[in-house]
Formats: sequence, C-alpha cells, structure tokens
Amino acid sequence: EPEVTQTPSHQVTQMGQEVILRCVPISNHLYFYWYRQILGQKVEFLVSFYNNEISEKSEIFDDQFSVERPDGSNFTLKIRSTKLEDSAMYFCASSDVTGGETQYFGPGTRLLVL
Amino acid sequence: GESVGLHLPTLSVQEGDNSIINCAYSNSASDYFIWYKQESGKGPQFIIDIRSNMDKRQGQRVTVLLNKTVKHLSLQIAATQPGDSAVYFCAENTLSNTGKLIFGQGTTLQVKP
Repeated sequence: EPEVTQTPSHQVTQMGQEVILRCVPISNHLYFYWYRQILGQKVEFLVSFYNNEISEKSEIFDDQFSVERPDGSNFTLKIRSTKLEDSAMYFCASSDVTGGETQYFGPGTRLLVL
Repeated sequence: GESVGLHLPTLSVQEGDNSIINCAYSNSASDYFIWYKQESGKGPQFIIDIRSNMDKRQGQRVTVLLNKTVKHLSLQIAATQPGDSAVYFCAENTLSNTGKLIFGQGTTLQVKP
C-alpha cells in the first residue's frame, strides 16, 4: 500500500539554524500539506500546496517558513531560522484532490530546537 | 471562529466493549469530517470519513454518526480491542476550500484487558 514517507525521523538543531524537512508524498497525489503538532496538543495546519503554489497558509506559517517541490517526488518544508517554539512533530500529508478526499499522513519528523 | 473540540480527554473501556468518542464542531460551513487514529510516535491514520449529506457511515468495526443540527460527530468502535488504544482526533474540512483540516483536541482511548 502506498504511503507518505518523511525524513529525517528526528532532527535536533540549535536556535537560529536552518532546517529542511523532507517528504515523499504518495506518487499519484496532487495536493500536499504540512501540519505540526506540539507535544500533547492537537494537530495544526501549516500550509497546503498545489500546482507548485501555496494554496493556503496559516498564521503559524510566517516568513521563516517555506515549502518547495524541487522535483517530481519530494516536498520540503524549510525553516530558515529556528526558534525554540518551533519544536514539534511535523507531519506531511497528501491527497488525490482537495476538500473532500482523504489526506494521508506521513510518520512525522520530530524537531527539537535547543 | 472555527473550532473542533472533543467532549472527553480520556476514555477508558474494557476489552470487548463498545467505545463512543464524541466531537463537537462549530463551523456550520464544514461539510466533510474525518476521524483519525494516532498511536504514540506515529502520524494520524485515517479511520473513516463522512460527508455532510449523510448522517451515518459504517466501516469495519467503526461507525461515524453526524448530527448537523447540533454540530456533533461521534465515532463508535465495536468490540474494542487493545490495538484500538490510541488518541482519536476528529477533523473538519470545507469541500470548497484548499484542503485545510481543522483538528480537534483529541481523545485518548485506553482499552483495559
């Protein structure tokens, strides 16, 4: 069964450093998403991406965040200058179509900013 | 504002019993709802979904009920098993939007052997 994969599974970084989280969505999916989950809290939407453009982004997704689909298989989330409060699990998801089709989530990347 | 919430943070049931997990939503424009299961250290796993033109949908051992009048969603798990122990999230989506899912706080289901 196809699945979303994410690398790395864990990332530890120093405050102010740049991190890139990588995702390989399900191959025939067209819509891609990033969510985050701070420990013990609910999952929060960050950004949705379609046709090489951001479709929607949340208030969390400020100028420090960017997304990219550098090739036909990868989808990345970059945080330019990490802050302590960026520590969280980051989940990538993908779907066939938006708004009414299931989003399938990857296993997540646990980011710890020291 | 938009919000999806859960009535109970933790539900403890005996193995073999039925479980009911509840969710309240406030955005009347939401027309697609999903239940996800999240095991420790893993990503949300799709369980079942329902569109707003339905009030009930059944899967394997799971049933989702939607009451649009009171903006209430529930997940029923039949014959709960130890493997069902996890955190369960409801999420809502508006079919016309960009796919953004709004998640509830989550209910922890503990299954006692």
